[in-house]
Amino acid sequence: QKEVEQDPGPLSVPEGAIVSLNCTYSNSAFQYFMWYRQYSRKGPELLMYTYSSGNKEDGRFTAQVDKSSKYISLFIRDSQPSDSATYLCAMKDAGGTSYGKLTFGQGTILTVHP
Amino acid sequence: EAGVAQSPRYKIIEKRQSVAFWCNPISGHATLYWYQQILGQGPKLLIQFQNNGVVDDSQLPKDRFSAERLKGVDSTLKIQPAKLEDSAVYLCASTYGGSEQYFGPGTRLTVT
Repeated sequence: QKEVEQDPGPLSVPEGAIVSLNCTYSNSAFQYFMWYRQYSRKGPELLMYTYSSGNKEDGRFTAQVDKSSKYISLFIRDSQPSDSATYLCAMKDAGGTSYGKLTFGQGTILTVHP
Repeated sequence: EAGVAQSPRYKIIEKRQSVAFWCNPISGHATLYWYQQILGQGPKLLIQFQNNGVVDDSQLPKDRFSAERLKGVDSTLKIQPAKLEDSAVYLCASTYGGSEQYFGPGTRLTVT
C-alpha cells in the first residue's frame, strides 16, 4: 500500500466549475500537508500549506485536512483555463532524520476548458 | 530572488552510458533535495543534503547513482551506468529552515 494515494484523473471541467481534488494517506506521522501545482515541463510550485485539521482559504483555493480520516482535499472555485495543470498533494512528518522529506501523491491532471 | 537553477534541461543517452545533472539552489538555502519524477507519478526523494552533509539517501540506488554537494552550495547528481527505467525528470529543490521547498524546472532524461 502506498503511503499517499491520489486519484490520477484526468479531470476535465468547464470554466467556472468547482473542482475537488483528494488524497488519502496511511502514515499517522504526517503532520504537514501541502498542495503543489505543476505546469507541463515545469517544477512543482507550492499552492497551499496546512498543519491542523480544518479548512484554509487562499483566494479561489481551499485546503481541507481531516487527520482523523487521513484525508485531505483541495477545492478550486470558479476554475479558470489557467488552472489547467497537474495537482500534487504532498506530506511530511514533524521531525527525525526524514525532516523536510516530502512524500507525494501521484498527481491529478486537471483540464479546465473555456 | 533567483530561483533554483538546473542544467541541462533535457538529456538523451543510451543505456549503460553515464550522465550528470547540476543544481544551483536559492542563495542561502542550506537544505537541498534531489527528486525523481517518473511520467505519471509524483516526485520521489532520492537524496537530501543539509549544507554539504547527507541527511537522507535511503531511496538512492547507490550502485548506480551518486550525488555530492561541494561547499554546501551547488550539487551534482550522477548516474552510471544508466538503465532504461532511469528515464524520468530529475528535480532539484531547496529550502531554508525546513519550510517551503522551491523546485527547479527539472532535467528530463531519456534513456534509449
